[in-house]
Amino acid sequence: GAGVSQTPSNKVTEKGKYVELRCDPISGHTALYWYRQSLGQGPEFLIYFQGTGAADDSGLPNDRFFAVRPEGSVSTLKIQRTERGDSAVYLCASSLNAVGTPDTQYFGPGTRLTVL
Amino acid sequence: KQEVTQIPAALSVPEGENLVLNCSFTDSAIYNLQWFRQDPGKGLTSLLLIQSSQREQTSGRLNASLDKSSGRSTLYIAASQPGDSATYLCAVRGNNRLAFGKGNQVVVIP
Repeated sequence: GAGVSQTPSNKVTEKGKYVELRCDPISGHTALYWYRQSLGQGPEFLIYFQGTGAADDSGLPNDRFFAVRPEGSVSTLKIQRTERGDSAVYLCASSLNAVGTPDTQYFGPGTRLTVL
Repeated sequence: KQEVTQIPAALSVPEGENLVLNCSFTDSAIYNLQWFRQDPGKGLTSLLLIQSSQREQTSGRLNASLDKSSGRSTLYIAASQPGDSATYLCAVRGNNRLAFGKGNQVVVIP
C-alpha cells in the first residue's frame, strides 16, 4: 500500500493520560498535515510540517498538544493530560508540495481517540 | 478567518438523478479548492482539485466548477448510483492549510 497510514486506528484512554498518535506519509511527500475532526464537523487544521520542521503550528489548541517529525517522514502527534474534549478523529495528510504540482493532500484513515 | 459553507447539509435522491452540491467560501485569496468524499468511519478520499486559475475539473461522472471571485464551487455528479452515498467535503487551500466545510451528506436511493 502506498497511501498514508495511521496507527492506532482506535485509542481509548482515561482523562489525564498521555497519548501518541502516529502517521506514516506517502513516500517522498515532504509536506505533512494533522487535522482533527469532531462528530458532524469538517476537519480542522492542527499543524503543518515541511520536512522536519513545523512550518505552521497555529492550529494546535493549547500547549498540551505537540507534534514531531524528526526525520522528515513519520510524524507523531502527542497529547498530554488528555481531556474528554480531546475525543475526536485525528487525521493525517501528506502532499508532494513540489513547485508546479497541484499539491493534492492525501489523507490517512484517521485515529479515533476516545477520552473517558 | 476563512469560512466554508456547504448547502444542503443533507439530501436524498433517487438513483439516476444528477447531484448538485454547493460550497461557498468567504476569502477568495485561495490557492486551490479540493472536493473529498468521506464514508462513515473512514478517512477522506480526494475526488477533484481545482487550481485557483482554473474554472473547472472533470473526472468521469464528476465535474467541479470554481468561481473564485464570488467564492463558490459546485460539484456535479451525473447519473447518481447507490455507491455514491457518502459525505462530500469541500476544502479551500490558503496558507499551509485546508479549511473545510461541514459536508453534504448524500443518500442515493435505489
